[in-house]
Amino acid sequence: KAGVTQTPRYLIKTRGQQVTLSCSPISGHRSVSWYQQTPGQGLQFLFEYFSETQRNKGNFPGRFSGRQFSNSRSEMNVSTLELGDSALYLCASSLEGGAQPQHFGDGTRLSIL
Amino acid sequence: ILNVEQSPQSLHVQEGDSTNFTCSFPSSNFYALHWYRWETAKSPEALFVMTLNGDEKKKGRISATLNTKEGYSYLYIKGSQPEDSATYLCARSAGNNRKLIWGLGTSLAVNP
Repeated sequence: KAGVTQTPRYLIKTRGQQVTLSCSPISGHRSVSWYQQTPGQGLQFLFEYFSETQRNKGNFPGRFSGRQFSNSRSEMNVSTLELGDSALYLCASSLEGGAQPQHFGDGTRLSIL
Repeated sequence: ILNVEQSPQSLHVQEGDSTNFTCSFPSSNFYALHWYRWETAKSPEALFVMTLNGDEKKKGRISATLNTKEGYSYLYIKGSQPEDSATYLCARSAGNNRKLIWGLGTSLAVNP
């Protein structure tokens, strides 16, 4: 069974640009969550999608948005990039329910110059 | 406790030592407690998900317990091996909200 796939693995952008990250979940998983990880901050929850609907949202500005397609693949978009957006962005998929383990992708390392 | 807190922040042990870490979390409206292992250059890997007070789970040399009334969980590693070196993360979900709130992790280094 293929795991969670995130693309691209690495990305370099400049301030003011926008970026789109992609996540393909494990087949059969309908829940996709996105996290930001920066040194010393731990995993910060961005949002969760289930059946094409955003079900939960973390405390991030509106520049961070996402969507989920009918095949459960998800994209995350960040507009007007800032230096502080440099981070590892992880996507995780799971079966329905908050008591189901999350399966993580390898992440996208985003660097803002 | 308002957030998920993990202690210690880091730990260095010798191969063969047994060790344990703590995850503390708000006990109100508890739904589930997750443990993950995150090795360098890899993605986090789920170890356990526990929901009931008194739950105990085991996977090889690693085990975990849960106390939802007082809001803590322990992760135990018996006979640590160098390959156990990783950051161990816990996360809690509450009520019907599937959003996981994460601790900052315990970084374990096992010296051969």
